Amino acid sequence: QEQLVESGGGVVQPGRSLRLSCRASGFTFSYYAIYWVRQAPGKGLEWVAVISADGSRTHYADSAKGRFTISRDNSMDTLYLEMRSLGHDDTAIYYCARDNGAPDPAFDSWGQGTLVTVSS
Amino acid sequence: DIQMTQSPSSLSGSVGDRVTITCRASQTVSTFLNWYQQKPGKAPKLLIYGASRLQSGVPSRFSGSGSGTDFTLTINSLQPEDIATYYCQQSYTTPRLSFGGGTKVEI
Repeated sequence: QEQLVESGGGVVQPGRSLRLSCRASGFTFSYYAIYWVRQAPGKGLEWVAVISADGSRTHYADSAKGRFTISRDNSMDTLYLEMRSLGHDDTAIYYCARDNGAPDPAFDSWGQGTLVTVSS
Repeated sequence: DIQMTQSPSSLSGSVGDRVTITCRASQTVSTFLNWYQQKPGKAPKLLIYGASRLQSGVPSRFSGSGSGTDFTLTINSLQPEDIATYYCQQSYTTPRLSFGGGTKVEI
């Protein structure tokens, strides 16, 4: 069964850093680009970052550029998101989501999410 | 960036109703339009991709249509388990894609 499981969320003080992980199972992780998508409390969905299947290309939303770094270890079937200089606006549930790799791109598999709360 | 606008922001229907949600893009996205369902406390789930293609395992009462800038998600015969928030997403500018603001469906 295809599965994505996030971890690493928690309460962090403003200005500090946090690293999230997303462990994949049930499919060939190295075949797929993977996104981080976040959802602030009571709000909609916002893509944060994406990394290509082989890890050679990354893209960031403006809100993440310069502060967040997406990476992956295909030997460990794991995706990461390193977040620095966190602010209150970064409080959200962070999901990893798989790009289906089809001509009609879509997120066909999602993790359950991990909650990041930025608070002093 | 392409802006996605959904309407209405919420709606209430009765079991068995036909429900329609609209999504409009600020510029053409061809048929690179996806729909997701998010139940309370859960991750989103892909329903429709490529504007009208039903994702495997999704009930046939869900359907999508449209192209260019205007799209609709239709739920034929609303069921209690369809209570959720629905989001459209354009993937025309992949990897820089964008979501609509969501439509909350209640019974």
